[in-house]
Amino acid sequence: DADVTQTPRNRITKTGKRIMLECSQTKGHDRMYWYRQDPGLGLRLIYYSFDVKDINKGEISDGYSVSRQAQAKFSLSLESAIPNQTALYFCATSDTGTRPYEQYFGPGTRLTVT
Amino acid sequence: KQEVTQIPAALSVPEGENLVLNCSFTDSAIYNLQWFRQDPGKGLTSLLLIQSSQREQTSGRLNASLDKSSGRSTLYIAASQPGDSATYLCAVSNSGGSNYKLTFGKGTLLTVNP
Repeated sequence: DADVTQTPRNRITKTGKRIMLECSQTKGHDRMYWYRQDPGLGLRLIYYSFDVKDINKGEISDGYSVSRQAQAKFSLSLESAIPNQTALYFCATSDTGTRPYEQYFGPGTRLTVT
Repeated sequence: KQEVTQIPAALSVPEGENLVLNCSFTDSAIYNLQWFRQDPGKGLTSLLLIQSSQREQTSGRLNASLDKSSGRSTLYIAASQPGDSATYLCAVSNSGGSNYKLTFGKGTLLTVNP
């Protein structure tokens, strides 16, 4: 089984709809991250969390919110989706253990907003 | 603001060739640097992580070097194979601890032809 899982893997939604992307990990890592990837722009950090009580905005947090329900779960919400949020979304994890901060990525969620 | 550049954007080589991928960053005060591989439509796989105090890391046919003073890293792939075809991403963090965040380059698309 994959260490970092994301659901759904693909989603098509309409403008104005609320949508939640979910991430779960079995690596026991304390840190979790959400990125989006756009062609020509690379990966950009949306939000990151160092534990359940610590949530931080990244480079492009406007229009997004997150919830860290447990150490293993980190959800990303789009309250009112818009077409320019069409992108590939990745969740990642890391810890401060023997390979400090090395990030491990999930398989991604391809989101299309029409 | 840290900026990461990867040159070339795309590279095509015949099987068996040794090759070098380049990564440069504008702020040389980095904490660590990570190289990733991304297959089409999939997540990122961590290849190598170099701490700021290290000069290089090796894994199999891969060798990554770091020259902080010049703001450069290279990923050397020996005896390339068609299975090495993927996008290779470089990412750096300027801080550890609670300020740990990765800034990504846009990647180099590598094609190894049989």
